[in-house]
Amino acid sequence: DAGVIQSPRHEVTEMGQEVTLRCKPISGHNSLFWYRQTMMRGLELLIYFNNNVPIDDSGMPEDRFSAKMPNASFSTLKIQPSEPRDSAVYFCASSFREGSQETQYFGPGTRLLVL
Amino acid sequence: GNSVTQMEGPVTLSEEAFLTINCTYTATGYPSLFWYVQYPGEGLQLLLKATKADDKGSNKGFEATYRKETTSFHLEKGSVQVSDSAVYFCALRPRDGQNFVFGPGTRLSVLP
Repeated sequence: DAGVIQSPRHEVTEMGQEVTLRCKPISGHNSLFWYRQTMMRGLELLIYFNNNVPIDDSGMPEDRFSAKMPNASFSTLKIQPSEPRDSAVYFCASSFREGSQETQYFGPGTRLLVL
Repeated sequence: GNSVTQMEGPVTLSEEAFLTINCTYTATGYPSLFWYVQYPGEGLQLLLKATKADDKGSNKGFEATYRKETTSFHLEKGSVQVSDSAVYFCALRPRDGQNFVFGPGTRLSVLP
């Protein structure tokens, strides 16, 4: 299996622009997670989906952030409009949720820089 | 609530030194416990896990034992290598259906 795939790996944009991050989870996994990592705040869970349905988006910082999962093999995280404070590494992770045996597998991350 | 506490980093060791990174947790019930490792420029990778009390997880020379009585899951390695330089995250997965909780991470630097 190729693992969790994220694109782009790096993104540099200007403040006010729309940014779309993409994720392809591991085939067969039924849960998908979006995390943000910064030096100041560490690893933060933004949102997670179970069977393509958003379950908990309480970590989404504000309305500028939105996430979708139109099918089991694809998810997007969109920031519109972007701001410099959104600069971070964004990770997607997937898992097969079954009792306590669940293990999350992370993608390589998208490094976002908003100028 | 559920939380994970890790020792403050960075930790700097010489090659072949003994490593301990402390991790303690607070959780309702009996969670599963994990150590993830993040190498520079990469995502988090599962290093080892334990799903019940007294279980020992091990991988690549690293070990951690699930201690319910002390609510701890300390990571150890007998002889570290330069290639072990990374950030290590302790995490828990509650049994009540809630999500993973990650610690803040501990940066390890191993010098030749």
